[in-house]
Amino acid sequence: AQTVTQSQPEMSVQEAETVTLSCTYDTSESDYYLFWYKQPPSRQMILVIRQEAYKQQNATENRFSVNFQKAAKSFSLKISDSQLGDAAMYFCAYRSASSGDKLTFGTGTRLAVRP
Amino acid sequence: EPEVTQTPSHQVTQMGQEVILRCVPISNHLYFYWYRQILGQKVEFLVSFYNNEISEKSEIFDDQFSVERPDGSNFTLKIRSTKLEDSAMYFCASATDRGLGAKNIQYFGAGTRLSVL
Repeated sequence: AQTVTQSQPEMSVQEAETVTLSCTYDTSESDYYLFWYKQPPSRQMILVIRQEAYKQQNATENRFSVNFQKAAKSFSLKISDSQLGDAAMYFCAYRSASSGDKLTFGTGTRLAVRP
Repeated sequence: EPEVTQTPSHQVTQMGQEVILRCVPISNHLYFYWYRQILGQKVEFLVSFYNNEISEKSEIFDDQFSVERPDGSNFTLKIRSTKLEDSAMYFCASATDRGLGAKNIQYFGAGTRLSVL
């Protein structure tokens, strides 16, 4: 079974600075998808960025980018120029490309942004 | 922007009572999911639903749980006889495409917090 681990329960970043959230996963599959979801307080989870495992190029969405290391099974999220609105819980998630469409989540990292 | 809507935001019930959690998925979506998160633990998959039947369910989703889409818009999760350990945040999600393709992106609601006393 696949597992996703987020080893940082809480992180803090100064506004306008850069922060990296860590995620590792375990799978025996070669084809899969990885996601970062953001959950602001009392709001729904929003997809921030996703990565397809067969793509070597790291995904980027504006200030958000990932460092995908397939061999190391690592998928970290970098947030550049942090803004107050980035404060949220961030979840890393895995989905198989060959068996079902359920998401397997990590425990989340709570990000605080200091003004 | 279309959203997945969940009601109520907080549900309090007595142990042994039946509860129904309601979700309105995004209107053109065809695939529906329930997840739950016990406080301090991971978000866990419960069930996926397509074409009026369950596609996949986890070990958590036992006979006490059921899902249905009664009127083509709502998607409900029923717990027949709640237990203390059912206390959790329950998230509904929907998607346009099934998981084997890259187009499956699951959109989540804000969740219903279920408290079983």
